[in-house]
Amino acid sequence: GENVEQHPSTLSVQEGDSAVIKCTYSDSASNYFPWYKQELGKGPQLIIDIRSNVGEKKDQRIAVTLNKTAKHFSLHITETQPEDSAVYFCAASLRGNTNAGKSTFGDGTTLTVKP
Amino acid sequence: DTGVSQNPRHKITKRGQNVTFRCDPISEHNRLYWYRQTLGQGPEFLTYFQNEAQLEKSRLLSDRFSAERPKGSFSTLEIQRTEQGDSAMYLCASSTGTHRPKETQYFGPGTRLLVL
Repeated sequence: GENVEQHPSTLSVQEGDSAVIKCTYSDSASNYFPWYKQELGKGPQLIIDIRSNVGEKKDQRIAVTLNKTAKHFSLHITETQPEDSAVYFCAASLRGNTNAGKSTFGDGTTLTVKP
Repeated sequence: DTGVSQNPRHKITKRGQNVTFRCDPISEHNRLYWYRQTLGQGPEFLTYFQNEAQLEKSRLLSDRFSAERPKGSFSTLEIQRTEQGDSAMYLCASSTGTHRPKETQYFGPGTRLLVL
C-alpha cells in the first residue's frame, strides 16, 4: 500500500519568514496530493491540493510543488503569520477510479510562527 | 452548506462497553470516509462508502468495528467491546464523488473517544 513520509515533524519560524514542509510517497499510482491544516480540537481543513498533471500550484501565500519522478511534493508558505501556527498534514491518494478516494496521510508537521 | 457534522464530539466510556458515532456528510456528497487519528499521528483510513455501498475496509477495522450508511446519507460507526487502544479521534469526511472536485475530502470536527 501507499506510504507517506513527512518532514520535519516540527518547524519554528519567525513571523514573515517562509516555511517549507516536504513529503515523499511510495506508490507511483498516486495522483492526487492534498494538504490539510489542523488546529487544536478541530478536523483537518483542506488548504491546497495538486494533481499529478501539474508541477506547481499557488494560492496567495501558499504554494505546492510536485516532482512525480522523485515522488515527492512540498508545501511552501510565504510571509508567515502567527495564525498559520497549526499542524499540517500531507496526503496522497488516487483519483479517477471508481474505488479511489481514500487518502494516506503523513504524520504531520507542527508549525509555530513566532511573532 | 453546513459542512460535515459529527456527534457526539466527545465520548468517555468504560472498557467493554459499546459506542456508536454518527456522521452527517455535506448534502449530496456521495462518498463518505471514516478515519482514526491518534495523538501525534496523521489520520488513518478505516472505511469508505459510495452512497450506501461500503466499498473498502482497512485491516485496522477489526471485527469489533462496524460501519453503516443505510440510506446513502448519514453514517454510523459502532465499536463493540471497546478496548483502551480504541481511544482516538474518529474523523468523518465526505466528497462529491461525481463532479469536480470529486476527490476533495471535507472533514468533520471529529469524535474524541476515551476508553477507561
